[in-house]
Amino acid sequence: ETGVTQSPTHLIKTRGQQVTLRCSSQSGHNTVSWYQQALGQGPQFIFQYYREEENGRGNFPPRFSGLQFPNYSSELNVNALELDDSALYLCASSAGTGQENIQYFGAGTRLSVL
Amino acid sequence: LAKTTQPISMDSYEGQEVNITCSHNNIATNDYITWYQQFPSQGPRFIIQGYKTKVTNEVASLFIPADRKSSTLSLPRVSLSDTAVYYCLTAGSARQLTFGSGTQLTVLP
Repeated sequence: ETGVTQSPTHLIKTRGQQVTLRCSSQSGHNTVSWYQQALGQGPQFIFQYYREEENGRGNFPPRFSGLQFPNYSSELNVNALELDDSALYLCASSAGTGQENIQYFGAGTRLSVL
Repeated sequence: LAKTTQPISMDSYEGQEVNITCSHNNIATNDYITWYQQFPSQGPRFIIQGYKTKVTNEVASLFIPADRKSSTLSLPRVSLSDTAVYYCLTAGSARQLTFGSGTQLTVLP
């Protein structure tokens, strides 16, 4: 157990809808990163939040947005869902953004877009 | 971010030692080398991280030669439950982890 919890575990949406995924970071961690993992592929970096500010973004469109709260929990919002958004969404927390800081992952949220 | 190359798949038998080698020819001076394990429909699980020479913890060892252009993850006496995908990553910061396709390790009885 990493102490990183994600909710919900599974979600089914239809194309065009909006979705919010949630992540609670490990105690003492101030950094949260989000990843998208399509079936059979490695996780792809979406963005990272450090102390409530976005601290880096991968190659994802603006309809992927996020938020980090004062308790360092985080949300990932996806607007105008597309079929290709179907994936496992992973949240990882770390104690900082330095090179030595290990990212610990949650179990993920499985999103299916129909 | 340095690109890594690792075998697509490996088979082993229970009780054997497994070594998975990863190439990272363009690793930057400040990059760490990190290995994760992932089971189907679960998040990646941190195994081990190192910068140079050898690192050992309760589950694995990581061997890094002096030129740091490759690294080898060693799993002693694997069991069926070690069947998983193993990812090798290099990262200059904790901002963005770049995962490749990983190595599918299958442990046979």
